[in-house]
Amino acid sequence: GENVEQHPSTLSVQEGDSAVIKCTYSDSASNYFPWYKQELGKRPQLIIDIRSNVGEKKDQRIAVTLNKTAKHFSLHITETQPEDSAVYFCAAFSGSARQLTFGSGTQLTVLP
Amino acid sequence: GAGVSQSPSNKVTEKGKDVELRCDPISGHTALYWYRQSLGQGLEFLIYFQGNSAPDKSGLPSDRFSAERTGGSVSTLTIQRTQQEDSAVYLCASSPILAGSTGELFFGEGSRLTVL
Repeated sequence: GENVEQHPSTLSVQEGDSAVIKCTYSDSASNYFPWYKQELGKRPQLIIDIRSNVGEKKDQRIAVTLNKTAKHFSLHITETQPEDSAVYFCAAFSGSARQLTFGSGTQLTVLP
Repeated sequence: GAGVSQSPSNKVTEKGKDVELRCDPISGHTALYWYRQSLGQGLEFLIYFQGNSAPDKSGLPSDRFSAERTGGSVSTLTIQRTQQEDSAVYLCASSPILAGSTGELFFGEGSRLTVL
């Protein structure tokens, strides 16, 4: 089945700096890659996603890039703010396996 | 309702007892997932329902775990003879999935299970 690895597990940045979280996946048939943000004690919520026919997608301060050849995708957050502090999960969906497999999460802390 | 509803929000039980966790997905969503999140850990896939297709049970950790989805809507996750390692938050999510693809997963608030 699909295996998603996520790095780093923890990340601290100064407010205003950029943060990058990287994920790799194993199933070349995976075609959908969402990112979820989970604030402490809250439910995970989708912040951005990308499909396999697109290399990059941007939404304000958040961007995601996808390299299908290397089977990795990354989340980029620019001009970080304290409210960006949360756990971020990447995920990969394989149409053949019909599963959304999540990475292990990255605890992002934005220091004021 | 407006979102995915899960009950109970908190459940404390004794080792060896059976528990049932309920998920009411967003109306019209054909896909329903159960995940388990242990303290400080990631989201572990348990089971997936899509319409009338046979569920994908490949993530269930043991035969003590089972789930059903009645009428394509409400789902119940049952854990028999609970063990302390079953303690976790059980998250349900639904999605307006298209065949062979997926859309955004909408998560419930989760059911926090504590096995004493």
